[in-house]
Amino acid sequence: NAGVTQTPKFQVLKTGQSMTLQCAQDMNHNSMYWYRQDPGMGLRLIYYSASEGTTDKGEVPNGYNVSRLNKREFSLRLESAAPSQTSVYFCASSEATSGRAGQFFGPGTRLTVL
Amino acid sequence: QKEVEQDPGPLSVPEGAIVSLNCTYSNSAFQYFMWYRQYSRKGPELLMYTYSSGNKEDGRFTAQVDKSSKYISLFIRDSQPSDSATYLCAMTKNTGNQFYFGTGTSLTVIP
Repeated sequence: NAGVTQTPKFQVLKTGQSMTLQCAQDMNHNSMYWYRQDPGMGLRLIYYSASEGTTDKGEVPNGYNVSRLNKREFSLRLESAAPSQTSVYFCASSEATSGRAGQFFGPGTRLTVL
Repeated sequence: QKEVEQDPGPLSVPEGAIVSLNCTYSNSAFQYFMWYRQYSRKGPELLMYTYSSGNKEDGRFTAQVDKSSKYISLFIRDSQPSDSATYLCAMTKNTGNQFYFGTGTSLTVIP
């Protein structure tokens, strides 16, 4: 099993450009999450999807959109990138909709916005 | 006030030492508690997972939860250089989907 995979691993954007971060999991998990990690701020939840067909905002959703394409895939889109979105982005998945089983993380995407 | 507080360190110990990592929290609704290990430039890896109060042991790792004090701990026995990483605590309620993370403690185990 590959677990949680993310593409791309690295990306440099100019201000105003758009891009989509891809995430897929092969553990048949119901819930999927997008986080950003910044120094001194820890992991902050951007959006999550409790099950296929549903998405909800997390702590820092502004400037992002998500799509739960199917049970396996959950993408994060930046419509007009800003330097404040420079960060490391992690996708995660969890078996139980209430998160009781903990989360499994992907390797991350390092994004720089110039 | 943040819901989960964690001392960022850094913490530096000699090989073989017992390490104690801690988090405090403010929300009594938290029921599930987790510890993650994150190596540099990698994703967090789930280490330990406990429900409610008590202890859980897995090899050299012991997770402890004291709900009355809103305090959780991770103990690492016989620490190894390979334990050098950032350790994140996390917790969640009985319902809902949001996880609440500490900012992480950086640990270095010196050979």
